[in-house]
Amino acid sequence: GAGVSQSPRYKVAKRGQDVALRCDPISGHVSLFWYQQALGQGPEFLTYFQNEAQLDKSGLPSDRFFAERPEGSVSTLKIQRTQQEDSAVYLCASSLVVTSGRANEQFFGPGTRLTVL
Amino acid sequence: QQQVKQSPQSLIVQKGGISIINCAYENTAFDYFPWYQQFPGKGPALLIAIRPDVSEKKEGRFTISFNKSAKQFSLHIMDSQPGDSATYFCAASWMDSNYQLIWGAGTKLIIKP
Repeated sequence: GAGVSQSPRYKVAKRGQDVALRCDPISGHVSLFWYQQALGQGPEFLTYFQNEAQLDKSGLPSDRFFAERPEGSVSTLKIQRTQQEDSAVYLCASSLVVTSGRANEQFFGPGTRLTVL
Repeated sequence: QQQVKQSPQSLIVQKGGISIINCAYENTAFDYFPWYQQFPGKGPALLIAIRPDVSEKKEGRFTISFNKSAKQFSLHIMDSQPGDSATYFCAASWMDSNYQLIWGAGTKLIIKP
């Protein structure tokens, strides 16, 4: 079956523009995570959904960042009034359930590389 | 306290050699320790994972060694191959955080033919 897909793969925005990044998780996966990966760094947690409920948004760096998953499947990460420091790869991951066993494995999409000029 | 410290930043190993990457953590609530492999332009992919009730886990050429008292864990890649050249990340997570991953900074591994 298909893995996690993300679109667009690359996005160039002028400072101040709004952007929307899409994530299509693996069908049937309950959990969905967004991470931000700066160049040469490990990913950093942004937010977590269980089905359509956003249970944790503690990693969102500012109120310009907003995420939604209205039907418990596709998720969108929106960044308003983009700034240069928002330039990064945005990774989406999904997993079947939230447990400590193998079922917790997070499957990652290829990411969206955002460049803010 | 939430950090995971990873070393070395980069590593060059001859083909057939053993690659060793180390990680340390502080938060004793962590109960899941995965290693991810990432190729350029791709998302991370799970390689192997361990829970703290086990001191070692082996899958093929990949082994995690876990030292709970020292709060350290390491990845060993036996018989390293050029196809193993990638960036490796250790991570940690725990149930109360819905298993969000806390990541190390990554190790760029190059296997020389």
